[in-house]
Amino acid sequence: GQNIDQPTEMTATEGAIVQINCTYQTSGFNGLFWYQQHAGEAPTFLSYNVLDGLEEKGRFSSFLSRSKGYSYLLLKELQMKDSASYLCAVLDSNYQLIWGAGTKLIIKP
Amino acid sequence: DAGVIQSPRHEVTEMGQEVTLRCKPISGHNSLFWYRQTMMRGLELLIYFNNNVPIDDSGMPEDRFSAKMPNASFSTLKIQPSEPRDSAVYFCASSSRGPENTQPQHFGDGTRLSIL
Repeated sequence: GQNIDQPTEMTATEGAIVQINCTYQTSGFNGLFWYQQHAGEAPTFLSYNVLDGLEEKGRFSSFLSRSKGYSYLLLKELQMKDSASYLCAVLDSNYQLIWGAGTKLIIKP
Repeated sequence: DAGVIQSPRHEVTEMGQEVTLRCKPISGHNSLFWYRQTMMRGLELLIYFNNNVPIDDSGMPEDRFSAKMPNASFSTLKIQPSEPRDSAVYFCASSSRGPENTQPQHFGDGTRLSIL
């Protein structure tokens, strides 16, 4: 079966750095997405990785290791507005998007 | 630019009633997705269309659910008859699907559906 694992909830302090992990077991791999979803709002696109390595986009970076079936989202200089759920989603061999359950990130002052 | 537009934003109705959710995708996008999100099950893909044609409806829960896309700028998701377990947030998303479906999906604000 297809499976994506993320921690259910994480807590971090304003100004700090947090890493949200995602491991996947899917039938094939054609890329991995990260989305941010604030409570009561729609998911919004953050990043897309298809090759191994780190991609940086401002305070947010996303890393991929295809051999390990692993990705992480790194958030630096945390702000209160970063409190949200972060969803990992993988494109399988049929280019279907498989969604993780999401990680709820709580930022404390 | 206008994003994905969904209506209504909220719907409260009694079980047994017909519910119709509407979606206008971003102009120029040729893929449209209907999702359901609940605390228990997370985000679930119900159906998606490419160039107005349904490609995968394996996520549609049962025959009570149906979806149509009569043209490139409009889609509906219908539940008839509705049941309390259908209560959820329903999202519509669109993307400019290239041959590898690697373009990000853009989500509407969702319809919060409550079936009493």
